Amino acid sequence: EVQLVESGGGLVQPGGSLRLSCAASGVTVSSNYMSWVRQAPGKGLEWVSMIYTGGNTYYADSVKGRFTISRHNSNNTLYLQMNSLTPEDTAVYYCARDGGTVTQEGYFDLWGRGTLVTVSS
Amino acid sequence: DIQMTQSPSTLSASVGDRVTITCRASQSISTWLAWYQQKPGKAPKLLIYKASTLESGVPSRFSGSGSGTEFTLTITSLQPDDFAVYYCQQYNSNSLTFGHGTKVEIK
Repeated sequence: EVQLVESGGGLVQPGGSLRLSCAASGVTVSSNYMSWVRQAPGKGLEWVSMIYTGGNTYYADSVKGRFTISRHNSNNTLYLQMNSLTPEDTAVYYCARDGGTVTQEGYFDLWGRGTLVTVSS
Repeated sequence: DIQMTQSPSTLSASVGDRVTITCRASQSISTWLAWYQQKPGKAPKLLIYKASTLESGVPSRFSGSGSGTEFTLTITSLQPDDFAVYYCQQYNSNSLTFGHGTKVEIK
């Protein structure tokens, strides 16, 4: 079965750090363009970061310099390292696969179920 | 960043109705637009990409149109399973942005 499963969410204090993981099955993370998308409680969707097959990375301005996207090819897992967290980072974080097969497209055809990150003292 | 504006924010409709949701981009995005459906507690589901291409497995009552800055998602004959929130998303640039969503609720 093709699926993405996020983990690593939880409660963290402002200024703290957290690393999210997205374990993929039936899909090879390194062969796909992968993103993190978040959704604050009761709010809309916000793209956070993307990693290209070649390793280039891109970030939303709201997280640039604080978040780092990476992947581990041998265990087929996508990561999001989040530092200097603020309450505004509270959200469900989804990992998502780009719909492009040869080149990056920019839309998402496969999503995980998400993991909740709560930043609060 | 390209801003995406959806209207209406909420839409009340009955089963069998024809429903249209509009999405406007702050600058031209050609046809680099996708539509998603999201139900409570679930991840978004891709419905349409490249403005009008139906994702595999999505019912044909969903259709998309538009180019440039104005786009529409149409649901012909609304079904009980279609009550959800719908988002548009532009992918014209590497800074991807979503609309704020349109909630389709039961009238």
